[in-house]
Amino acid sequence: EVQLEESGGDLVQPGGSLRLSCAASGFTFNIYNMNWVRQAPGRGLEWISYISSSGATMYYADSVKGRFSISRDSAKDSLYLQMNSLRAEDTAVYYCARESGRFGDYSFDYWGRGTLVTVSS
Amino acid sequence: AIRMTQYPSSVSASTGDRVTITCRASQGISSYLAWYQQKSGSAPKLLIYSAATLQSGVPSRFTGSGSGTDFTLTISCLQSEDFATYYCQQYYTYPRTFGQGTKVEF
Repeated sequence: EVQLEESGGDLVQPGGSLRLSCAASGFTFNIYNMNWVRQAPGRGLEWISYISSSGATMYYADSVKGRFSISRDSAKDSLYLQMNSLRAEDTAVYYCARESGRFGDYSFDYWGRGTLVTVSS
Repeated sequence: AIRMTQYPSSVSASTGDRVTITCRASQGISSYLAWYQQKSGSAPKLLIYSAATLQSGVPSRFTGSGSGTDFTLTISCLQSEDFATYYCQQYYTYPRTFGQGTKVEF
């Protein structure tokens, strides 16, 4: 069974840093592209970052570019999001999501349950 | 960035109703579109990909259609478990973008 489990969410002050983790199981992690998606309280979904299966290619939303960094460790079957210079508007539930491995399809077929990041003084 | 616009933003419906949600892309995205269902307090769940292909395990009352800029999600016979918020998403290019969501409520 495919499982994604996020951790690391916390209450942090503006300007602070946090590192989120996503532990993957039930599939061959190192052949799948991965993403982070967030959802502010009461709001919609916002894609924020992508990393290729090899880790060689990353993309970011403009809202986090230069502050957030995505990475992965295939030996640990884990995805990470390093978040620096946090702002109040980064408050959200952060989901990791697997990109489908189907040819020509890049939808997100599995999601974790999310971890809450609160940025407040 | 490609803007995805969904309408309506909410719809009131009853069990057994047919519900249609529309999603419009600000530029052509071929069929690189997915639909997700999100229930309160839960993660999104993939329903449809490639605009019209049903994800494994999703009931056949869900259908997707469209290509280019205009897409629809139809729930043919609403069940109690279908009351949720639905999002479209384009994966034609980066940044990936979602519609603002459509809440299907009683």
